[in-house]
Amino acid sequence: EAEVAQSPRYKITEKSQAVAFWCDPISGHATLYWYRQILGQGPELLVQFQDESVVDDSQLPKDRFSAERLKGVDSTLKIQPAELGDSAMYLCASTHRGSENYNEQFFGPGTRLTVL
Amino acid sequence: GQNIDQPTEMTATEGAIVQINCTYQTSGFNGLFWYQQHAGEAPTFLSYNVLDGLEEKGRFSSFLSRSKGYSYLLLKELQMKDSASYLCAVLDSNYQLIWGAGTKLIIKP
Repeated sequence: EAEVAQSPRYKITEKSQAVAFWCDPISGHATLYWYRQILGQGPELLVQFQDESVVDDSQLPKDRFSAERLKGVDSTLKIQPAELGDSAMYLCASTHRGSENYNEQFFGPGTRLTVL
Repeated sequence: GQNIDQPTEMTATEGAIVQINCTYQTSGFNGLFWYQQHAGEAPTFLSYNVLDGLEEKGRFSSFLSRSKGYSYLLLKELQMKDSASYLCAVLDSNYQLIWGAGTKLIIKP
C-alpha cells in the first residue's frame, strides 16, 4: 500500500540551529501539506502545495520557516533558526486532488522535533 | 472566526458504546472529517460526512447535522486499541481543513 514518507522520524536540536524535514507524498498526489501539531492540539496548516506552487502559506512564520517542492514531487521544510517553541510534531500529508472534489488526506508518520 | 469544539477527554469501558461530539462554526462548509490519532503517530482517516445523516462503517458511525453545526462519532463494542485521540475537522469554503483540538478517549477494562 502506498504511503507518505517522512524523515527523520525524530530530531533533537539546539535553539538557533537549522533543521530540515523531508516528505515524499504518495505517487500521483498533486497536493501536499505541511502541518505542525503541538501536543494536545489539532494540526495547524503551515503550507499547502499544488504541484510545485504554493497555494497557502498564510500561517507559515516566514522569518524562520521555508518550504519548497521544486519538482512538484517531494518537499522540504526548513527552520532557521530553531526556537524552543518550535518543538512539535511536523506532519506531511497528501491528497489526490486539490481544492475541489476533496479527497481524504493521507498522513506520513511525522517528524518529532525537540528544541533544547 | 472559525471554531471547532470537542470535549478534551472522555473515558469509557471496554465493550461499551461512546459518542464523541463536535460542534463547528466555520466560513462555509464542504464536509466534515473524523480522524483517529494514536499517541505519537499520525492521524488516520475514519469518516467523511457532507450530507446530513448517519454514515456507518463497521463499529464506527458518524452523524452530521449541517443546520445545527453538529457532528458525532459513535464507537461501538469498544476495544482497548480504540484508546486514542479523535480529531474532528471541517472543510471550509476555501477547501481548507479546520481542525479541532481532538478528544482523548481512554478505554478502561
